[in-house]
Amino acid sequence: DAGVTQSPTHLIKTRGQQVTLRCSPKSGHDTVSWYQQALGQGPQFIFQYYEEEERQRGNFPDRFSGHQFPNYSSELNVNALLLGDSALYLCASSAPLAGGPSNEQFFGPGTRLTVL
Amino acid sequence: QKEVEQDPGPLSVPEGAIVSLNCTYSNSAFQYFMWYRQYSRKGPELLMYTYSSGNKEDGRFTAQVDKSSKYISLFIRDSQPSDSATYLCATLTYQGAQKLVFGQGTRLTINP
Repeated sequence: DAGVTQSPTHLIKTRGQQVTLRCSPKSGHDTVSWYQQALGQGPQFIFQYYEEEERQRGNFPDRFSGHQFPNYSSELNVNALLLGDSALYLCASSAPLAGGPSNEQFFGPGTRLTVL
Repeated sequence: QKEVEQDPGPLSVPEGAIVSLNCTYSNSAFQYFMWYRQYSRKGPELLMYTYSSGNKEDGRFTAQVDKSSKYISLFIRDSQPSDSATYLCATLTYQGAQKLVFGQGTRLTINP
């Protein structure tokens, strides 16, 4: 089992550009969550996808959008990049909701985005 | 006020020392509390979780929750250089979806 995979590993963009990050969940998982981790900070929840729909959203502007495909993989899109969007973007997948932390979220290695 | 607050450190201790990592949280409705370990250039991995108040032990690691003071602790006994990492406390919230709310993380270094 490859676990949660993310691509690309690193990305450098300039202000105003758009970026797409990709995530493949762990085998058997159908729910994908995205988190942003700024340097020296804990991860912050962006949104969660289940059954190809956004189920909950954190305190992030509409420039952040996502998508989930029928095979449960997911994309995170960020438009009109700002310097402050530089961070490690983490994808986490979890199994069908069983309640409580038994529904553990497994994290991928992240994509490090640098905005110049 | 942040929902979960954690002293960012950094914390540096000699090998074999007992390490104490701490967090506080603001919402008394929180029930599940986690500790994640994050090595450099890796994603967080779940170390331990506890439900409500009490202690949970797993080898050299003990997680403790005191709901009366809204305090979360992680103790590491006989610390090893391989324990050097960033430790993140988190709580699990549910508002239509399960969401993890993390503290800032404490960077820990165990010196041989």
